[in-house]
Amino acid sequence: QKEVEQNSGPLSVPEGAIASLNCTYSDRVSQSFFWYRQYSGKSPELIMSIYSNGDKEDGRFTAQLNKASQYVSLLIRDSQPSDSATYLCAVSPFQFQGGSEKLVFGKGTKLTVNP
Amino acid sequence: AAGVIQSPRHLIKEKRETATLKCYPIPRHDTVYWYQQGPGQDPQFLISFYEKMQSDKGSIPDRFSAQQFSDYHSELNMSSLELGDSALYFCASSSSSGEGSYNEQFFGPGTRLTVL
Repeated sequence: QKEVEQNSGPLSVPEGAIASLNCTYSDRVSQSFFWYRQYSGKSPELIMSIYSNGDKEDGRFTAQLNKASQYVSLLIRDSQPSDSATYLCAVSPFQFQGGSEKLVFGKGTKLTVNP
Repeated sequence: AAGVIQSPRHLIKEKRETATLKCYPIPRHDTVYWYQQGPGQDPQFLISFYEKMQSDKGSIPDRFSAQQFSDYHSELNMSSLELGDSALYFCASSSSSGEGSYNEQFFGPGTRLTVL
């Protein structure tokens, strides 16, 4: 079983709708959670980070974390065709300063926003 | 804002050849990570360096080695290349001193390696 699971999609939503992306993880000690957006052939772009239970909002994006359920989600409001990309959920074990922690990625969810 | 720089952007090699990939982290970032992403796959962690010391090691073949230099740039050396090494190789960097932004990793544009 992969450590980070995402619905592979594809997920298709109309322009202006809310896109909802989900992710579960298996390692209970995980502390840091990230959402990356990746366009085809390009590098992952960090769009959200979340460390505490609850919601975190940044513009049209809202990340939600529930550590008890080992679940993290990303909501994209007012979806635009330019949001069409693969969204990668990434998890790292420790909230740690003074070192590095690798990211473990899910396989990604491909989102298509239709005009 | 300055981003992670990787070179070369594209590299074509023959089997059994050697390749060197370079990464220049965001200024004042002290940690560098290398990831490999095959076609249709998610990025897989290879190796990381903090303050010029190897800090973690993932699924990196023994044919590969890496180091971080005094100016914090890093190089990934790949020898005896195989067809299966064809992939996108990403470097990412982070700062250990960023308050409220623990382990936020910023990726470079990647090097696309093709082994023929």
